[in-house]
Amino acid sequence: NAGVTQTPKFRVLKTGQSMTLLCAQDMNHEYMYWYRQDPGMGLRLIHYSVGEGTTAKGEVPDGYNVSRLKKQNFLLGLESAAPSQTSVYFCAISDANTQYFGPGTRLTVL
Amino acid sequence: RKEVEQDPGPFNVPEGATVAFNCTYSNSASQSFFWYRQDCRKEPKLLMSVYSSGNEDGRFTAQLNRASQYISLLIRDSKLSDSATYLCVVIVGGSQGNLIFGKGTKLSVKP
Repeated sequence: NAGVTQTPKFRVLKTGQSMTLLCAQDMNHEYMYWYRQDPGMGLRLIHYSVGEGTTAKGEVPDGYNVSRLKKQNFLLGLESAAPSQTSVYFCAISDANTQYFGPGTRLTVL
Repeated sequence: RKEVEQDPGPFNVPEGATVAFNCTYSNSASQSFFWYRQDCRKEPKLLMSVYSSGNEDGRFTAQLNRASQYISLLIRDSKLSDSATYLCVVIVGGSQGNLIFGKGTKLSVKP
């Protein structure tokens, strides 16, 4: 996975619970991304970061927060999970024009 | 109109067949183009970049037509291992924050 790891791999939440997904890289790339992938919807960008201490909104940022306190880590938070956030979440890092994806986190919100 | 559109699929082909995927993009400021491959329940992985002059990598050929805003991927002599979903990806305006993914086309190669 080109040095991109995600934790956890699976999680089941109840509506209203909170959680944080962790993305870690060992490739020293500046750009990091969080996507969600749903059947029939393709990959959609939630938030991204162009470097340590910076974040920006993507296509579907509502209901999520992110932080990039360290260059190698990009955290995605759900403060109050909703069933609509049931999805597969992918983290990615970018080297020039190539994105390397992590293995994904399968999240189910009941 | 969606920003990046692909053939809906699925494509079911026999081994050895030649198969072509098409992708159109709507934003004329799009600058970079790629094909990614995603296996079932796995992450997407870069298959190849797409250049205006066209490029080939073994059995795979990618073409870009900027005037028509059209990208294609041709797979020759398809193998069982080519079965996957193929994603068309466009970077708009040269910003790495502006990657737009198509929904993908599923390919199933049968013996």
